[in-house]
Formats: sequence, C-alpha cells, structure tokens
Amino acid sequence: NAGVTQTPKFRVLKTGQSMTLLCAQDMNHEYMYWYRQDPGMGLRLIHYSVGEGTTAKGEVPDGYNVSRLKKQNFLLGLESAAPSQTSVYFCASSYSRDSSYEQYFGPGTRLTVT
Amino acid sequence: TQLLEQSPQFLSIQEGENLTVYCNSSSVFSSLQWYRQEPGEGPVLLVTVVTGGEVKKLKRLTFQFGDARKDSSLHITAAQPGDTGLYLCAGVWSSYKLIFGSGTRLLVRP
Repeated sequence: NAGVTQTPKFRVLKTGQSMTLLCAQDMNHEYMYWYRQDPGMGLRLIHYSVGEGTTAKGEVPDGYNVSRLKKQNFLLGLESAAPSQTSVYFCASSYSRDSSYEQYFGPGTRLTVT
Repeated sequence: TQLLEQSPQFLSIQEGENLTVYCNSSSVFSSLQWYRQEPGEGPVLLVTVVTGGEVKKLKRLTFQFGDARKDSSLHITAAQPGDTGLYLCAGVWSSYKLIFGSGTRLLVRP
C-alpha cells in the first residue's frame, strides 16, 4: 500500500515550457487535490476533483489544468510555465469521514521555472 | 475570504520546554485539523477536532477546539527534538475543501 505517490520529485523548466505532474493513490479515495506551497503562505488549493471525470477550480487555478480520467490518478498540467509557478506541489486524496475530508498527502514535486 | 492565521510563525525552544501554537479565524469551521510536515515530505495528519470545546490528546500533544469553532490551539509538553517541524492547521470551509493556515515552524534544540 503505497498511499499517494507523485512523479517527478524534482523538475526544472524554462519559461514557456510545458509539463504534467502525475499523482496516483491506491486507497480508493473519491476526492483528490492539487496544492502549491510557497514560503510563508501555507498550502493553497489549485484544483480538486470529487470523483472520476470531474474537476473544479480552487483558490489559485490560473495557469494550470487538471484531468481525472481514472479514479486513482489526478494530473496537473502547466501549459506555459512562468517563474511565478516555481513552488513545491503537493497532491492529496481524501474520503468523507464525518465530512472532515482528512487529507493524505504525497511527498511533493519541487518545480523551478527559470 | 476565509482565512486561518497561525501564531507564532516561528518558534525555537530548548528540549523539555512547553509551547502553545494558535490557529485563529473570524469564520466558523465544521471541523479543524492539525498536520505536521517534516522537510522534504508532505504534511501528515495529527488530529481532527469537530465539536466546540473538544480537547484531544496525542501523547505529549494536546489539541483544543474553541467553543465557537473559530479557533484552535496545539500545546506540546516537554518538547523533544523529534517534534521539530512545520505545524499546519486546516479548516473545512465548504464541501470537500480545506483552507490551510500559513504554519508554525518549530525548532526544538537538544
């Protein structure tokens, strides 16, 4: 039982390049999330999904797209990377236990855009 | 806009000391969670509090949810170097979604 896994762990992009971050969970959780973490700003929600085939915008969705074609996978795409997207990206999954949506996080992807 | 403010932002203490971290909001949350994050890793859930006034204990950690469900505190007794990390509070503010505080970075010196 691997929990939540993310690939890649590190990536350096040049401005304008594109990339996809992959998140996979083996806990059969309905809900999946993408966050970014920047110094002094905690975790901010980018996009989330409440089930296979569904996605929705979070607090900071601009410049990102997502897809959830399979229940266990949640992809985050950057079509044209910008230096402001330099950050650590975390994927999380959860289920509704007493409506608390406790988050299970992956190990993160450190992205640098030059 | 929902906002969770944590204080202090940074805390450096000697092993054996006690400390309290605060998480405050002007909004009411249906539940509140505390996570700990170590360098290079994702946050890990410590506890969820649901009922106003609720107190939960996890070994040397005591978590309290305010009566009005707008604030919470984390108290650590006799801190140890292994408690070092970033502590994050998070509130459920709508269906499926949480909002996170900016975190308290704790350093416990041997």
